[in-house]
Amino acid sequence: EIVLTQSPATLSLSPGERAILSCGASQTVSRNYLAWYQQKPGLAPRLLIYDVFRRATGIPDRFSGSGSGTDFTLTISRLEPEDFAVYYCQQYILNSPLSFGGGTKVEIK
Amino acid sequence: QVKLVQSGAEVAKPGASVRVSCKASGYTFTDYYMHWVRQAPGQGLEWMGWINPKSGDTDYAQKFQGRVTMTRDASISAAYMELSSLTPDDTAVYYCMRVPCLINRCSPQNWFDPWGQGTLVTVSS
Repeated sequence: EIVLTQSPATLSLSPGERAILSCGASQTVSRNYLAWYQQKPGLAPRLLIYDVFRRATGIPDRFSGSGSGTDFTLTISRLEPEDFAVYYCQQYILNSPLSFGGGTKVEIK
Repeated sequence: QVKLVQSGAEVAKPGASVRVSCKASGYTFTDYYMHWVRQAPGQGLEWMGWINPKSGDTDYAQKFQGRVTMTRDASISAAYMELSSLTPDDTAVYYCMRVPCLINRCSPQNWFDPWGQGTLVTVSS
């Protein structure tokens, strides 16, 4: 099973700043099979990014994904008040159990 | 629009079973895989398995094999997740999620959109 490690656990930033969230995999995530989700308190996660860099429908372009192999990044170019939340990465490579990272909380500084 | 609506909160005793339902609308239920994950209080997301609503085929995470059963009733566009032999460690919010890609074109191994609103299952004596 692929283990995803997200860092940092908590990111303290101000609105307008750039957020860079990391997701490291214990094995190569082939074919760019990696997604990112946003979760706000009391709500279900929401899909942001799939296939490493493809934005889901309705997701603003301040969210971008990048990376390959074992190292992936979610960047929020300028934080809006509604972006303060927890973010999870997820891998979905074939022939391996699906797994999620432990999450990064983006909090207001 | 595509929507998944789950059943309400449950309280169960240790050793008992619980069944959570997920009712789909806005699309052809049998055309898309459905998955289940859970989230313990204050914790991350844990994948449990998937069901092919057309065939009924399932695949479960090793951790839950023997304890989880995923079924569906295509006539009412509903998926179900039953977890047995409950312990307090099973206290969590359980989510259903759809793979947004047709079964005849995509692997069940995929990203998820949308998600149900979640069902809190509390296991307590």
